Amino acid sequence: GIQVEQSPPDLILQEGANSTLRCNFSDSVNNLQWFHQNPWGQLINLFYIPSGTKQNGRLSATTVATERYSLLYISSSQTTDSGVYFCAVEPRTGAGSYQLTFGKGTKLSVIP
Amino acid sequence: KAGVTQTPRYLIKTRGQQVTLSCSPISGHRSVSWYQQTPGQGLQFLFEYFSETQRNKGNFPGRFSGRQFSNSRSEMNVSTLELGDSALYLCASSSLWGTEAFFGQGTRLTVV
Repeated sequence: GIQVEQSPPDLILQEGANSTLRCNFSDSVNNLQWFHQNPWGQLINLFYIPSGTKQNGRLSATTVATERYSLLYISSSQTTDSGVYFCAVEPRTGAGSYQLTFGKGTKLSVIP
Repeated sequence: KAGVTQTPRYLIKTRGQQVTLSCSPISGHRSVSWYQQTPGQGLQFLFEYFSETQRNKGNFPGRFSGRQFSNSRSEMNVSTLELGDSALYLCASSSLWGTEAFFGQGTRLTVV
C-alpha cells in the first residue's frame, strides 16, 4: 500500500518562530489532508490539499503532486499550535472506497 | 451544520467483554470510516461503509465488525476484548471518494 513519511518527528520551537513540516508519499493521491490533533484526541482539519497551495491565517500548505510531497508552514508560532500534526492521503489507485493512510505525525512543542 | 458525533466519549471494559461504539456523520455524508489510534501503531484504518455496504476493511481480526444504517449512522463492535484493544477510536465522514474527511471527537476505550 501507499507509504506516508512525515518529518521531522519532533520539533521544538520558541514562540514566534516559523516552521516547515514535510509529508512524502509513495504513490499518486486523490486526496491529501493535514490535521492537528488536539489534546483531547480530535483531528482538526487544517487543509484539504491534493495539489496546489492554500493559506489560512498563519498556516499555509503546498502539495506538489508530481513530486509526491506536501509541506505545511506555520508562521509566528504560538503555544496553542503545540500538538501533533498529521498528514493523511488517499491513493488514486483506491477502489472507490474512502481509506486514508496516515503518517506517524510531527509532534510540535512551542515554548514561551 | 452539526459535525461528526461519536458516542460514548469514554469507555472502560473488562477483557472478554464486547463493546459497541456509535458514529453519526455529517448530514448528507454517506461514507463513514473508522480508525484505531494507539501509541505503538499510530492511526490505522479499520473499515469504511457507504450506503450500508462495507466497501473496504483494514487488517484487523474478525472480532472487529461494523455496520451502517439507512440514515448513515454507523456502529462498530469489538467482541472478546483484549488489553491491546485499548485505543482511541475515531470515526470520519465524507460525501464522496476523494473529498475532504471530517473526524469526530473519538471514543477512548480502556480494556482492563
